[in-house]
Amino acid sequence: EDKVVQSPLSLVVHEGDTVTLNCSYEVTNFRSLLWYKQEKKAPTFLFMLTSSGIEKKSGRLSSILDKKELFSILNITATQTGDSAVYLCAHRTGGSNYKLTFGKGTLLTVNP
Amino acid sequence: DAMVIQNPRYQVTQFGKPVTLSCSQTLNHNVMYWYQQKSSQAPKLLFHYYDKDFNNEADTPDNFQSRRPNTSFCFLDIRSPGLGDTAMYLCATSTGLAGEQYFGPGTRLTVT
Repeated sequence: EDKVVQSPLSLVVHEGDTVTLNCSYEVTNFRSLLWYKQEKKAPTFLFMLTSSGIEKKSGRLSSILDKKELFSILNITATQTGDSAVYLCAHRTGGSNYKLTFGKGTLLTVNP
Repeated sequence: DAMVIQNPRYQVTQFGKPVTLSCSQTLNHNVMYWYQQKSSQAPKLLFHYYDKDFNNEADTPDNFQSRRPNTSFCFLDIRSPGLGDTAMYLCATSTGLAGEQYFGPGTRLTVT
């Protein structure tokens, strides 16, 4: 069974800190790995990663995938209170099944 | 703006009373998904439609059904809700090739 494991499960930091969120996966038919941000509503898409070693960036957020070691990290620099959310990592299988398997998420709290 | 819309946003129903949740999209995506997300848990895929082809997850209870009358609309029917069905229900869409899933705002269902 495909598995996505995120760590830590929760994290509390101060504004301005840099954080790294981890996602490891065990899957049988890898296609892509996705990161979502979820506040008190539906998840919003952040990144989709398909190739190892290529960093994706969006403002203060960046992410990279290591397909050999089966993990991805999400970095947030100069954190702000608005970054407080649950960050979900999900694996998308290949083939005709478009299923996303989510990890349990990392709850990030950024204090002023 | 192209988007995924869910109605209602909040629904309270009684134990055993059928309920229907609605999802519509203006993205013209061919794949539509329904997820169940219980408190502090990851979203869990219930089923998805690829065009008119229905794909049920093996562990989705028979109590949950879905209809997709056209490309734009998809419904989640819960025939006899139990207390354990209290959750956020998320609708998402994607194009098969892109892999990114765009989520609606969710319907928060409470079964009393």
